[in-house]
Formats: sequence, C-alpha cells, structure tokens
Amino acid sequence: DAGVIQSPRHEVTEMGQEVTLRCKPISGHDYLFWYRQTMMRGLELLIYFNNNVPIDDSGMPEDRFSAKMPNASFSTLKIQPSEPRDSAVYFCASRSSGGSYNEQFFGPGTRLTVL
Amino acid sequence: DQQVKQNSPSLSVQEGRISILNCDYTNSMFDYFLWYKKYPAEGPTFLISISSIKDKNEDGRFTVFLNKSAKHLSLHIVPSQPGDSAVYFCAANTGGFKTIFGAGTRLFVKA
Repeated sequence: DAGVIQSPRHEVTEMGQEVTLRCKPISGHDYLFWYRQTMMRGLELLIYFNNNVPIDDSGMPEDRFSAKMPNASFSTLKIQPSEPRDSAVYFCASRSSGGSYNEQFFGPGTRLTVL
Repeated sequence: DQQVKQNSPSLSVQEGRISILNCDYTNSMFDYFLWYKKYPAEGPTFLISISSIKDKNEDGRFTVFLNKSAKHLSLHIVPSQPGDSAVYFCAANTGGFKTIFGAGTRLFVKA
C-alpha cells in the first residue's frame, strides 16, 4: 500500500486566494482526519470523518475553512479566502476502526505559505 | 485549552544514554495514550501506546510509563541513538476516535 497520499506537498499563494488541499487515505480505512501543525500550537485536529461523514469539525478555526469527503478514497480541505496566519503544515491521517493500537497513519503533509 | 501538554520544547541527550520525554494531561476520561515520532518533511509515525488500565508498556528500546494519579506519562528511550533525533508527540484518546496531540518535544541525540 502507498500509504496516505497528500497533494500538493508545497503550496505558496497570496492572501485572499482559494487554497485546496487533497488527501487519499489508505484503502480500507474508514476514518479520515485533518490536522494543522504550527510552532505555537503543535498538532491541532481540524475535522474528522467516519465513512465519509463529518463527525467532529469543532477544530475548524473559521468559516473560511471547509472540508469534504465525497467518497472513501478522497478528501479535500479548502481555505477561502486564505490569510497569512493560515501558513502551516497540514496533515491528513487515516485509520481503521478495527486497528489494534488505535494508531493513525499520516500523510507527508502539505506546507502552505500564504503571502 | 491544552488537554495534552509537553512542557519541554526540546531535549538533548548523549548517544547511549537514556532519553526521557514527559507528557501531562488534564482530562481524566482519556483511556488510551500514544507516542508518535516525526522526522522533518514527513508525517508523524506511530511509536508506542498504552491503555489507561496499564502503567507500563515496553517495546524494544522504548518504554512508556503511565501515572494516572498524577495524570502524567513518559517515554523512555534506552539506549538513545542518533537516529532517534526527531520530534516526539504525545497523544490521547477518549474512547472514541478523536485524538488530542501535545505540542511535541524535539529530541537531539548527540553522537
């Protein structure tokens, strides 16, 4: 298995532009998570899905952020309009509800820079 | 409101010695704890975990200790190796699938 795939790996955009981050979870995993990593706050959970349905989006910072999971193999995180304070590394992770250690499998992340 | 706290941003240890990474939590409902390791430009990877009904779990050079009364857990690495240099995240679950992560501790193992 290729693991969790994220694209793009790096994104540089200007303030006010729309940004879309993409994630392909591990096949067979029924949970998908979006995280943001910053120096100040570490790894923050933004939202997670179970069987493509959003379960908890309490970590989504503002209405500018939205996430979708149209099918079991694809999810997007969109920021519109983007702001410089959104600059961070965004991780997608997936896991199976039947996993033995409760661990999540992370993608390599997307480094977002908003100028 | 940080429910999982890693108060040491960084730790430096000599190769061959013990590394001890600490983590405190506030939510007594957490029932499962995990440690993840992260190298630069990569996502975190699972390292070791412990259920709240246990006080110790060991896997090779890595041991996690849980002190529920103090709401404290620690990760011991013995002996430390240069390849262990990474950021270590403490994380906790509440019986569901929502995981709360700490801010991370950067470990430097000097050769």
